[in-house]
Amino acid sequence: EPEVTQTPSHQVTQMGQEVILRCVPISNHLYFYWYRQILGQKVEFLVSFYNNEISEKSEIFDDQFSVERPDGSNFTLKIRSTKLEDSAMYFCASSEPTGARNYGYTFGSGTRLTVV
Amino acid sequence: AQSVTQLDSHVSVSEGTPVLLRCNYSSSYSPSLFWYVQHPNKGLQLLLKYTSAATLVKGINGFEAEFKKSETSFHLTKPSAHMSDAAEYFCVVSNTGGFKTIFGAGTRLFVKA
Repeated sequence: EPEVTQTPSHQVTQMGQEVILRCVPISNHLYFYWYRQILGQKVEFLVSFYNNEISEKSEIFDDQFSVERPDGSNFTLKIRSTKLEDSAMYFCASSEPTGARNYGYTFGSGTRLTVV
Repeated sequence: AQSVTQLDSHVSVSEGTPVLLRCNYSSSYSPSLFWYVQHPNKGLQLLLKYTSAATLVKGINGFEAEFKKSETSFHLTKPSAHMSDAAEYFCVVSNTGGFKTIFGAGTRLFVKA
C-alpha cells in the first residue's frame, strides 16, 4: 500500500537553529499538509499546499515557518529559528487529487522534533 | 465555523466487549467526518470516513460509525474489542474544500484482558 514517508523520525536541535522536516507524499496525490501534535495535546493543522502554493494556513503557521515542494516529489517544512515550544510531533499528509474531503488523508509516521 | 468534541478522554473496556467512542461535531457546511487511530509511536491511520453517502460507515478492523445529523454525532463502535485495539482515536471534521481539518482531542482506548 502506498505510504507517506517522513524523515528523520526524530530530530534534536538547538534553540534558534533552522530545521527542515522532509516528506515524500504518495506519488499521485496533489494536496499536501503539515500537522503538529505537541505532547499530550491535540493534533493541530498547520498548512495545506496545492498547485505549488499554500492554500490555507493556521494562526500557528507564522513567518518562521515555510513549506516547499522543491523537486516534484519531496515536500518540506522549514522552521527558521526554532523555539522550545516548537517541540512536537510533526505529521505530513497527502490526499487524493479530488481532495481530502472525499478520501481523507494518508499520514506519515511523523517526525519528533525536540528543541533544546 | 467547525468544531469537534470527543466526549471521553479515556475509555476502558474488557476484551470481547463492545466499544463506543463518542464524537459530536459542528459545521457550517455539510461535513466530511473521519476517524483516525494512532498506535503508540506510530502515525495516524484512517479507520473510516463519512462523505455524505451512506450514514452507516464501515471501516477497517471491524469498526463502524453512524452519522446522525439530527444529533450532530459520529460515534465509533466495534462489537467486540481486541487487545490490539488499544490506541488513541481521533474524530476529525473537514470543511467543504477539505483543505483544513479539525481534530478532536482524542480518546485513549484501554483494553483489559
